Amino acid sequence: AQSVTQPDIHITVSEGASLELRCNYSYGATPYLFWYVQSPGQGLQLLLKYFSGDTLVQGIKGFEAEFKRSQSSFNLRKPSVHWSDAAEYFCAVGARGSNYKLTFGKGTLLTVNP
Amino acid sequence: EAQVTQNPRYLITVTGKKLTVTCSQNMNHEYMSWYRQDPGLGLRQIYYSMNVEVTDKGDVPEGYKVSRKEKRNFPLILESPSPNQTSLYFCASSLSQGVVNEQFFGPGTRLTVL
Repeated sequence: AQSVTQPDIHITVSEGASLELRCNYSYGATPYLFWYVQSPGQGLQLLLKYFSGDTLVQGIKGFEAEFKRSQSSFNLRKPSVHWSDAAEYFCAVGARGSNYKLTFGKGTLLTVNP
Repeated sequence: EAQVTQNPRYLITVTGKKLTVTCSQNMNHEYMSWYRQDPGLGLRQIYYSMNVEVTDKGDVPEGYKVSRKEKRNFPLILESPSPNQTSLYFCASSLSQGVVNEQFFGPGTRLTVL
């Protein structure tokens, strides 16, 4: 069965600083990988996804993520954080040939200081 | 506008009083799913449906029922709610044409069981 670990429960950065949120997954083959964002009081919105091909994927709102098979990681990055990026971020893995289930990490809460 | 809607958005009820949370999508998606979100636990899948009249248990199905009589609707039923079902519930849908696709989430239903 697949699993996802987000090692950082809470991260605080200053506005304008760079950001990297970590995600490690466990799955026996090449997974489908997703990053979702949840703003306060809102549902989840897809930031980006990796299915195959180029291991560096671009998403919305200036985010990108890199799939590293050797490290079983899919870290999310942004070069310059804006105050509006304050939210909770979830990494998710989907298994090919499964019931299309997504398994989510426990989330990383991002606080942005002015 | 393509969307997943849930009703009600907020609900306070008492132990043992049956309730239904509705979920509807207008994207003609085959796959629908219910999750609950609890602090520190991320999202956990309750039930999912791969098509009309096809439903199956997720990771935490105890105390819940679902039905899928129409493609667009996937109600979540709590026959006898208990306080440990106090949570934030999300419905999601996606295409399921043989691959894991991104899931589109509803706005959430915050349920409190007294």
